[in-house]
Amino acid sequence: NAGVTQTPKFQVLKTGQSMTLQCAQDMNHNSMYWYRQDPGMGLRLIYYSASEGTTDKGEVPNGYNVSRLNKREFSLRLESAAPSQTSVYFCASSPISLQGYGDTQYFGPGTRLTVL
Amino acid sequence: AQSVTQLDSHVSVSEGTPVLLRCNYSSSYSPSLFWYVQHPNKGLQLLLKYTSAATLVKGINGFEAEFKKSETSFHLTKPSAHMSDAAEYFCVVTPSGGATNKLIFGTGTLLAVQP
Repeated sequence: NAGVTQTPKFQVLKTGQSMTLQCAQDMNHNSMYWYRQDPGMGLRLIYYSASEGTTDKGEVPNGYNVSRLNKREFSLRLESAAPSQTSVYFCASSPISLQGYGDTQYFGPGTRLTVL
Repeated sequence: AQSVTQLDSHVSVSEGTPVLLRCNYSSSYSPSLFWYVQHPNKGLQLLLKYTSAATLVKGINGFEAEFKKSETSFHLTKPSAHMSDAAEYFCVVTPSGGATNKLIFGTGTLLAVQP
């Protein structure tokens, strides 16, 4: 059981280049999330998808787009990369509990992105 | 609005001594609270969570945390540190209500364990 997988593990881009980070989960979870992690700032939510076919902005959405391709896959796209987007990106997924909150999120191993 | 404050950015203990990682939260309603651990160059792993059941929550690897509403705290403890506990620890709060599970992360506490 792979859980949450992310590709690539590492990436170096030049300013202005575009790329897509891929995420897939095999736990049949409804919700998926993209976070970025920067030193001293914890994790910040970029976008999330509460269910297949829906996406919503998180705390820091500017410069990013997402696609919930199907229930398993949730991709994050940088259209024109900037040095400020140098970060570690984590994908996560969770089932929806009956209460709709307090549910555990399961994280992938992360993608380390450097923008020069 | 919900928020979480981890009071120490770095904690250093000796192997075999107790661990205390401090976390205070702010929430308008009864929150759900979590502790996650991140080992170097790894993803985040859930240690334990509180969701309005027992106030003393036991997690994996001998960790536990106590929810204290009067102090708005959710400190993480372990009686005896092991070298493998060296990692970064995140206290997390979930805004109550709604149909989503947005997590609000603290800035992390880096735990060093000395031999």
